[in-house]
Amino acid sequence: DVKVTQSSRYLVKRTGEKVFLECVQDMDHENMFWYRQDPGLGLRLIYFSYDVKMKEKGDIPEGYSVSREKKERFSLILESASTNQTSMYLCASKRNMIGGEKLFFGSGTQLSVL
Amino acid sequence: GENVEQHPSTLSVQEGDSAVIKCTYSDSASNYFPWYKQELGKGPQLIIDIRSNVGEKKDQRIAVTLNKTAKHFSLHITETQPEDSAVYFCAASPNSGNTPLVFGKGTRLSVIA
Repeated sequence: DVKVTQSSRYLVKRTGEKVFLECVQDMDHENMFWYRQDPGLGLRLIYFSYDVKMKEKGDIPEGYSVSREKKERFSLILESASTNQTSMYLCASKRNMIGGEKLFFGSGTQLSVL
Repeated sequence: GENVEQHPSTLSVQEGDSAVIKCTYSDSASNYFPWYKQELGKGPQLIIDIRSNVGEKKDQRIAVTLNKTAKHFSLHITETQPEDSAVYFCAASPNSGNTPLVFGKGTRLSVIA
């Protein structure tokens, strides 16, 4: 079965720390996404990538960056974590950017910034 | 860009009753409308989708309807069961091009036994 794996289920960091959230997919998908999920706000797109070394800003990219050095791995980076970045982070992938393709999600990383 | 509104934000039904979740979208170019279900502790999973050349689609107890003229689509769950309790997200996107899905804010469905 297809799988999107996020490296940590729970993460606690301090304000100002640099934080790396890792995501790996085993489906040879071209496209990968990072979403943030907050109560009452739904799923908001932070960044996405449609190819290795390519990245595009989503709706809320401020305070985040991403890295995609290999096709299967997409990393979300918080350069200097702040308390308002406490949230559930979801990684997803799909085969290509043609609309109508199924998104596969990881189980999420609950990040707490203290 | 696309904007997707979803209602209600929470919904409680008795086991065996039906549940309906409604979404509206703004971009007439959108023609792909999936629904995702997120169970506790898991990521969202696609449960059903519909394309704009179809008005209704069914899969067992789940159905989705689409009204392109009014720009709204709905999820219908019949004979609800406790395992239907979850958060449901609707989404919309053009069926081509480099545009990611835009999600609604989600509906928390509780099925009371």
